[in-house]
Amino acid sequence: AQSVTQPDIHITVSEGASLELRCNYSYGATPYLFWYVQSPGQGLQLLLKYFSGDTLVQGIKGFEAEFKRSQSSFNLRKPSVHWSDAAEYFCAVAGGRRALTFGSGTRLQVQP
Amino acid sequence: NAGVMQNPRHLVRRRGQEARLRCSPMKGHSHVYWYRQLPEEGLKFMVYLQKENIIDESGMPKERFSAEFPKEGPSILRIQQVVRGDSAAYFCASSPPDSAGYEQYFGPGTRLTVT
Repeated sequence: AQSVTQPDIHITVSEGASLELRCNYSYGATPYLFWYVQSPGQGLQLLLKYFSGDTLVQGIKGFEAEFKRSQSSFNLRKPSVHWSDAAEYFCAVAGGRRALTFGSGTRLQVQP
Repeated sequence: NAGVMQNPRHLVRRRGQEARLRCSPMKGHSHVYWYRQLPEEGLKFMVYLQKENIIDESGMPKERFSAEFPKEGPSILRIQQVVRGDSAAYFCASSPPDSAGYEQYFGPGTRLTVT
């Protein structure tokens, strides 16, 4: 069965600082990997996705993520965080089934 | 192109009543998924439907919950005899028929409160 672990429940960074959110997955073959962002009371917006090919993927809002098969990881990064990035971030994996399996999320706070 | 639409956005039901949640997928999308998000948790898959077919309902509770996606009209998630534990945000997502990577687009959700 596929699973996703986001080890950091809550992260606080200063505006302008760099950000890395961790995501580890468990799946037997090459997975499809996603990062979504959820603002309070809102739905989920897709930030980026990895299907195959280049292991460094670029997304919207200046985010990128790197797929590392050896570490079963798909960490999300941003070089300089803006106050508007404060939200909850979810990593998700899809394998043989179309259903997405989500991690429990990382809540990001941005300090001025 | 309008996104995934869900209504109502907020729904309050008393214990024992029925809740009906509606989802209209994006134009051209023929796959619909329902997820539930309990407070302070991630989303959990419930059911995957195509027009007139339930493809995967492995995440659906065995009782009181049902889903449909008719040939015409929105997908409906129906919860009978609601209990307090059903209070959650219910999200619908859709994807086009040829999305090889299972990319899903989410609606704004319906927040169900059971009193």
